[in-house]
Amino acid sequence: QSALTQPASVSGSPGQSITISCTGTSSDIGGYNSVSWYQQPPGKAPKVMIFEVSNRPSGVPDRFSGSKSGNTASLTISGLQAEDEADYYCSSYSSSSTPFVFGAGTKVTVL
Amino acid sequence: EVQLLESGGGLIQPGGSLRLSCVASGFTFSSSAMNWVRQAPGKGLEWVSNIIGSGGSTNYADSVKGRFTISRDNSKNTLYLQMDSLRAEDTAVYYCAKRYENTPRGRYFDYWGQGTLVTVSS
Repeated sequence: QSALTQPASVSGSPGQSITISCTGTSSDIGGYNSVSWYQQPPGKAPKVMIFEVSNRPSGVPDRFSGSKSGNTASLTISGLQAEDEADYYCSSYSSSSTPFVFGAGTKVTVL
Repeated sequence: EVQLLESGGGLIQPGGSLRLSCVASGFTFSSSAMNWVRQAPGKGLEWVSNIIGSGGSTNYADSVKGRFTISRDNSKNTLYLQMDSLRAEDTAVYYCAKRYENTPRGRYFDYWGQGTLVTVSS
């Protein structure tokens, strides 16, 4: 069982906006601004899309944005495109026995 | 260009041992904290272990503590994961991942390898 809770799937039509939630505890998401999001296309390695809650690495489209409120973080994809179809994982630094925890992943489908 | 290239995966019987390697290039390896993250077939990501740049400090997930050992050879730009007493539940793709920096603002993985598959089965 993953430490962080994500919806199993989210879908949207091209051009629409979708939001993926990620719920943790005060020991991880709520306690640190160290939330990151990773995109994983089928059969490929994960790629960081958001770090420190809301920062985008160079090269990541500004359609991707992140936020946090309390123990819940969110990833929003605006102007959804076919190439955004992938699994998305949230991660947080944690004060528990393991320093990094992940969510179980959310499959994004572009209808 | 940063590259991380894992190797050493394969089919191993329960109770057996395997050593994974990850050769790094394109960045100052000795200054970078490195991690192993695994993904069981059809499942999510699971952090396994990490080691700081000097190799002087390591951490492990409870699920592998006492069975896996992480190490590094900075002269060879190589990260290792020695896996002993392997179990069926250790079956996964194992990724090496570079932590951005060993500071509070660097708590994420900026580069990942392509992964190596470990299958534990009789």
